[in-house]
Amino acid sequence: EAGVTQSPTHLIKTRGQQATLRCSPISGHTSVYWYQQALGLGLQFLLWYDEGEERNRGNFPPRFSGRQFPNYSSELNVNALELEDSALYLCASSQDWDQPQHFGDGTRLSIL
Amino acid sequence: AQSVTQPDIHITVSEGASLELRCNYSYGATPYLFWYVQSPGQGLQLLLKYFSGDTLVQGIKGFEAEFKRSQSSFNLRKPSVHWSDAAEYFCAVGATGTASKLTFGTGTRLQVTL
Repeated sequence: EAGVTQSPTHLIKTRGQQATLRCSPISGHTSVYWYQQALGLGLQFLLWYDEGEERNRGNFPPRFSGRQFPNYSSELNVNALELEDSALYLCASSQDWDQPQHFGDGTRLSIL
Repeated sequence: AQSVTQPDIHITVSEGASLELRCNYSYGATPYLFWYVQSPGQGLQLLLKYFSGDTLVQGIKGFEAEFKRSQSSFNLRKPSVHWSDAAEYFCAVGATGTASKLTFGTGTRLQVTL
């Protein structure tokens, strides 16, 4: 069974640009979660999508947004990039809200 | 809101020695609790979970954890550590009665000496 896949592995952007990160969940999983792992800030919950709907979001500004497609894959979009957005962005998926989350290897976003 | 504390930032053990990583949580009801492991440059791998029932849960790679409600703890243990266990370990709690919206501890980095 294929795990959670994320692309790209690395992404380099400059301040003010926009970034799009992609995630494909494990087959059969309908919930997708996004987390930010920034140096010194730890792992922080960003967004939760289930059945195409945004179910919850963490304490992040609106320039962090995303969507979930009919095939349950997901995109995370970050607009007006700032230096502090540099981090590892992890995607996770689960079969349901009461099932464990399984993580991908992440996209490392670097802002120059 | 729930929170997780991992009091040990860094632990060093000898290969073959036993291991215990501490985790304390703050949560009003019975929590959904998890331990994940992260190797450098990689994502998180689920080691084990506690939802309800038996308070001693077994996970992968020979790890186990015990849920103690009276101490608000969910400590991770392994009787004999292998060099390949060197990694960062995260304890996490799910949002109110669910496994969604995980709140993570700050992690404990495990170093294994040969």
